[in-house]
Amino acid sequence: EADIYQTPRYLVIGTGKKITLECSQTMGHDKMYWYQQDPGMELHLIHYSYGVNSTEKGDLSSESTVSRIRTEHFPLTLESARPSHTSQYLCASSLTGSSEQYFGPGTRLTVT
Amino acid sequence: KQEVTQIPAALSVPEGENLVLNCSFTDSAIYNLQWFRQDPGKGLTSLLLIQSSQREQTSGRLNASLDKSSGRSTLYIAASQPGDSATYLCAGGGADGLTFGKGTHLIIQP
Repeated sequence: EADIYQTPRYLVIGTGKKITLECSQTMGHDKMYWYQQDPGMELHLIHYSYGVNSTEKGDLSSESTVSRIRTEHFPLTLESARPSHTSQYLCASSLTGSSEQYFGPGTRLTVT
Repeated sequence: KQEVTQIPAALSVPEGENLVLNCSFTDSAIYNLQWFRQDPGKGLTSLLLIQSSQREQTSGRLNASLDKSSGRSTLYIAASQPGDSATYLCAGGGADGLTFGKGTHLIIQP
């Protein structure tokens, strides 16, 4: 079983609040990813990282930002949450050279 | 830009049947093809990974094939069980991340 964790699992928050979604993995993977999934829709890559101090934007434009200060930690931040940010956010990781990605349980965000 | 399509969007079959889920992709220069299972409100569970140099992978009752020349992959589930009910996602691996299809919502009737 993959050791990748996301907190919180569920979050309901008001418009304008700053939020940080946490993602941690204990597998020593260098590559990490954030995907966004709207209800009934496919997952879209919004951010990824090759390793410490590396962050890149994915295919889907997102107002969120990420940081990678430690190998095992890849938090995602929204400075000012809006109802359009309501979605499920899934974190994943993989080892360079092995393209298999392992996913966390996801954070379901609702902005009211 | 890679696009992944899954057919059918939904499928309901009686328990015990063998079934095939289809996935097609537009860019044959994929690094790999990964099949996932997603249960309601949960994350993704990796089922099978086929590297670009491989033709198929098997795990228990599951068998996945990859044909890069035609841009297709299939997931074969043998002797289906009610516990197989879930959404099955196909994803093509590129240099930076995965491109997902919308999934096939599978219901196995007891």
